[in-house]
Amino acid sequence: DAKTTQPPSMDCAEGRAANLPCNHSTISGNEYVYWYRQIHSQGPQYIIHGLKNNETNEMASLIITEDRKSSTLILPHATLRDTAVYYCIVRVASTGANNLFFGTGTRLTVIP
Amino acid sequence: KAGVTQTPRYLIKTRGQQVTLSCSPISGHRSVSWYQQTPGQGLQFLFEYFSETQRNKGNFPGRFSGRQFSNSRSEMNVSTLELGDSALYLCASSLDLPMGNSPLHFGNGTRLTVT
Repeated sequence: DAKTTQPPSMDCAEGRAANLPCNHSTISGNEYVYWYRQIHSQGPQYIIHGLKNNETNEMASLIITEDRKSSTLILPHATLRDTAVYYCIVRVASTGANNLFFGTGTRLTVIP
Repeated sequence: KAGVTQTPRYLIKTRGQQVTLSCSPISGHRSVSWYQQTPGQGLQFLFEYFSETQRNKGNFPGRFSGRQFSNSRSEMNVSTLELGDSALYLCASSLDLPMGNSPLHFGNGTRLTVT
């Protein structure tokens, strides 16, 4: 699986949109982009994933560039409970293993 | 639908002992993976099971082992515990074969402390 690069930390004002970038310049055509977040002492929580098209669910939106070399996770109205470490991961679409590489992620702090 | 359940939530053991951790996947999920998380190394893949067969294994010593039962429940065992085995052990399940379009869902882990 391709590796990802994320900024180590970001701040966001409560109520504003949080835009978390991820670079995956070596991504292959059959690799999905996944986002997870982890709040201290809990397991990673699945947020959203996508292949080529932008995706939206009740938690967030995922914007993938046309060349698929980068993506942005958008939390439309950040709350204090969104403070967490956010991980961007790429994962093969074919039958493969679940040995995901999480990296160091982005520590998002939502400020009141 | 209940999430991934891991027991126990906390565990304290002494060096040289062994430990068994349990994981119940989301109902209907057949693939179970295990991860170790430490402050220094982050999340590291241990192994993965599907239909009672180990499909993939991470770079951990043979002291770490696991198994999956016919009901998809899984256990992992660590023998001859070392201080460095202190970590959060996470179990994750997914619906079917490890396909790219099938999200992994994690439990809240077992916090193991070795003294």
